[in-house]
Amino acid sequence: GEDVEQSLFLSVREGDSSVINCTYTDSSSTYLYWYKQEPGAGLQLLTYIFSNMDMKQDQRLTVLLNKKDKHLSLRIADTQTGDSAIYFCAERLQFYFGTGTSLTVIP
Amino acid sequence: KAGVTQTPRYLIKTRGQQVTLSCSPISGHRSVSWYQQTPGQGLQFLFEYFSETQRNKGNFPGRFSGRQFSNSRSEMNVSTLELGDSALYLCASSLAPGQRSQGYTFGSGTRLTVV
Repeated sequence: GEDVEQSLFLSVREGDSSVINCTYTDSSSTYLYWYKQEPGAGLQLLTYIFSNMDMKQDQRLTVLLNKKDKHLSLRIADTQTGDSAIYFCAERLQFYFGTGTSLTVIP
Repeated sequence: KAGVTQTPRYLIKTRGQQVTLSCSPISGHRSVSWYQQTPGQGLQFLFEYFSETQRNKGNFPGRFSGRQFSNSRSEMNVSTLELGDSALYLCASSLAPGQRSQGYTFGSGTRLTVV
């Protein structure tokens, strides 16, 4: 079956960069997504990347896609305490989500 | 405009009972998807509806069912509840299944506890 993997936890200091990684299995995914979930809330779409792109930048967010290795990453520059949340990657028409990475930003 | 509305926010049920959860999508959105979120399993896809038809279904037993009405509102039903059904149930809407570049808009979820 499909499998989307993420590391469970990441801790960074305020002002540093955060890198959240994701590996996926379905090479036919045309879009890959990053969502953010704050406590007590649903998921919020942060950004997405089309599969024919290697990189997409959106303000403090940079998405890198390595199709050969089926590896997706989300880099958050100048991480702030408000970035503390769980981050999910999703593939294959958003049927499959990763387990989520809990990002903790230390002031 | 109003977001995705899920009701109720919290629910406590006893094993063996059944439960119905409701989701009202963003106005104009015709596609609704349901997910189960648990600490151990993460986010698991349940099913997707578009124009009152189930388009896709995840790997859940037949106790989990859903439907969509002509106004795009959706309900999901779980019968013969088990302790393991305790989870946050999330609903997401989009304009249509093909609108993939816009992603989904999620509701805040219904927290179901089975005792």
